[in-house]
Amino acid sequence: DTGVSQNPRHKITKRGQNVTFRCDPISEHNRLYWYRQTLGQGPEFLTYFQNEAQLEKSRLLSDRFSAERPKGSFSTLEIQRTEQGDSAMYLCASGLGRDTSSPLHFGNGTRLTVT
Amino acid sequence: KNEVEQSPQNLTAQEGEFITINCSYSVGISALHWLQQHPGGGIVSLFMLSSGKKKHGRLIATINIQEKHSSLHITASHPRDSAVYICAASYNTDKLIFGTGTRLQVFP
Repeated sequence: DTGVSQNPRHKITKRGQNVTFRCDPISEHNRLYWYRQTLGQGPEFLTYFQNEAQLEKSRLLSDRFSAERPKGSFSTLEIQRTEQGDSAMYLCASGLGRDTSSPLHFGNGTRLTVT
Repeated sequence: KNEVEQSPQNLTAQEGEFITINCSYSVGISALHWLQQHPGGGIVSLFMLSSGKKKHGRLIATINIQEKHSSLHITASHPRDSAVYICAASYNTDKLIFGTGTRLQVFP
């Protein structure tokens, strides 16, 4: 069990560029979540996968954001035409079972800075 | 609206003090999570509970379903306990609703 792995750890990009983050969950975990966290705030839900199916997407996620989990294993989160307001820590979490009444395991996050 | 509120937002303590962090939630939940976040972002799950009390080492978490309230206690606090502590509620859905966190600093 190597835990939840996120890459890259840090990303600095210029406004208008596209960025893609990757999350590798714990191998047998069927649930995968993306959260966004800004300074001084708790994480905010972005989207959720049960295996390869994207079951829920927050209204926080504009059309510039897309997430995939093609084989029910790793997931990618892409942000197109980045804006300064996208600067945040992007956290991935995975879990086993049907819902969030079982523990989630978090990655160390990808910190995005849009200049 | 599902909400999770934590208090205090910031907490400083001297090493050895007993620490209490509080969490209130607005409607019925299926589970309440306590998480620890160190500088740099990594989040560690400390407890998940739906009733009663859980203990792990110097950490104790309690929940009162009737009062919609949970507390995290740290006994004999130590500087290495310095972190942000976050409570999060599961409302029978597939996502957690997070509080804004309590930043704890323990000084030697």
